[in-house]
Amino acid sequence: GAGVSQSPRYKVTKRGQDVALRCDPISGHVSLYWYRQALGQGPEFLTYFNYEAQQDKSGLPNDRFSAERPEGSISTLTIQRTEQRDSAMYRCASSFGTGREKLFFGSGTQLSVL
Amino acid sequence: AQSVAQPEDQVKVAEGNPLTVKCTYSVSGNPYLFWYVQYPNRGLQFLLKYITGDNLVKGSYGFEAEFNKSQTSFHLKKPSALVSDSALYFCAVPGGNTGKLIFGQGTTLQVKP
Repeated sequence: GAGVSQSPRYKVTKRGQDVALRCDPISGHVSLYWYRQALGQGPEFLTYFNYEAQQDKSGLPNDRFSAERPEGSISTLTIQRTEQRDSAMYRCASSFGTGREKLFFGSGTQLSVL
Repeated sequence: AQSVAQPEDQVKVAEGNPLTVKCTYSVSGNPYLFWYVQYPNRGLQFLLKYITGDNLVKGSYGFEAEFNKSQTSFHLKKPSALVSDSALYFCAVPGGNTGKLIFGQGTTLQVKP
């Protein structure tokens, strides 16, 4: 596609429910990143994929958070048993290579946990 | 640990005036430095990056950034601000050998007509 696509754009859920956030990166991009951004803050790294391999998950806050990219393209970030503190903007980014290249960001999914 | 700091939460300038958005960094080894911009309801967009070479880096939309090793700074600049430059600006450094980035807190730029 023309850019990084994320869905849904908005997600409202009740505390305790599971949510799945989807990211469709730019075609051919090797690297895929998930970030979380609280209001008024900079994006905070969550996890990184090189093709289908999850090579860095050091930013995932706890074991309720998981991510996959099974075919090296679309990725899903799953949050189990959501809590109010999980409310934030979740952003996906991709890049062509694996080095220090510019990232292309999606518009994000705004998650609200009630 | 790699880090960046943006000392100003907000910068206000009049249209047509020069603008500066400040960033200081702390890195081990050679610094790689980035600027990204976030417009309302949009994703972050790459503006420019410094890897090595000239201390003045030119980027998108007429922006440039000056790398200063002695002051560990990488300030974003534009000679003449536009109202459409009003946005949230982030400085960033790599957090490892991959493209993982560590972002500053962001600076809101407001350009008044």
